[in-house]
Amino acid sequence: AQSVAQPEDQVNVAEGNPLTVKCTYSVSGNPYLFWYVQYPNRGLQFLLKYITGDNLVKGSYGFEAEFNKSQTSFHLKKPSALVSDSALYFCAVRDRPRAALIFGKGTTLSVSS
Amino acid sequence: GAGVSQSPSNKVTEKGKDVELRCDPISGHTALYWYRQSLGQGLEFLIYFQGNSAPDKSGLPSDRFSAERTGGSVSTLTIQRTQQEDSAVYLCASTELAGRSNEQFFGPGTRLTVL
Repeated sequence: AQSVAQPEDQVNVAEGNPLTVKCTYSVSGNPYLFWYVQYPNRGLQFLLKYITGDNLVKGSYGFEAEFNKSQTSFHLKKPSALVSDSALYFCAVRDRPRAALIFGKGTTLSVSS
Repeated sequence: GAGVSQSPSNKVTEKGKDVELRCDPISGHTALYWYRQSLGQGLEFLIYFQGNSAPDKSGLPSDRFSAERTGGSVSTLTIQRTQQEDSAVYLCASTELAGRSNEQFFGPGTRLTVL
């Protein structure tokens, strides 16, 4: 069965510091991985995706994610955090066409000034 | 262009009543998904529509839940005889193709509160 784990419920970083939000997955076959962000009282916004190719994927708002097949991980990163990055982040996976996304439980990112 | 829209944004109902939640996907998107976001459960898949194919209902939690999609566009999620555990944010998403690589675009959600 497919699954996604986000081991940290909350990540706290200071503005200007690098941030990492962790995600590991379990799927049969090749994974297609996504990161979404949810701001308070808003829907989910797409950040980035890994399909194939380079393991380092660049997305919106300066975020990037590194796909590591051996560790089955897809950690979200940003070199310098902003207070406005504070939000709820979801990692998601799908492994076949016509499939819904399987989401992790989410990680709350809090960036302090 | 316009994104995915959902209505109402908030719905408060009494236990035992029926509710209908509406989703307008992005024009031209052939695939439509419903998810539920509740405290402690994260985001759960409910149902998926792709064109004229039979919907994938594998995520519906009980037979009180149903959904339809008329004309390949607007979708309505119906919950009959609502229970307090149905309280959640119901999110709709659409995508151009139900391929593996295409991201889903989400609406703002409907917050359902069952008293």
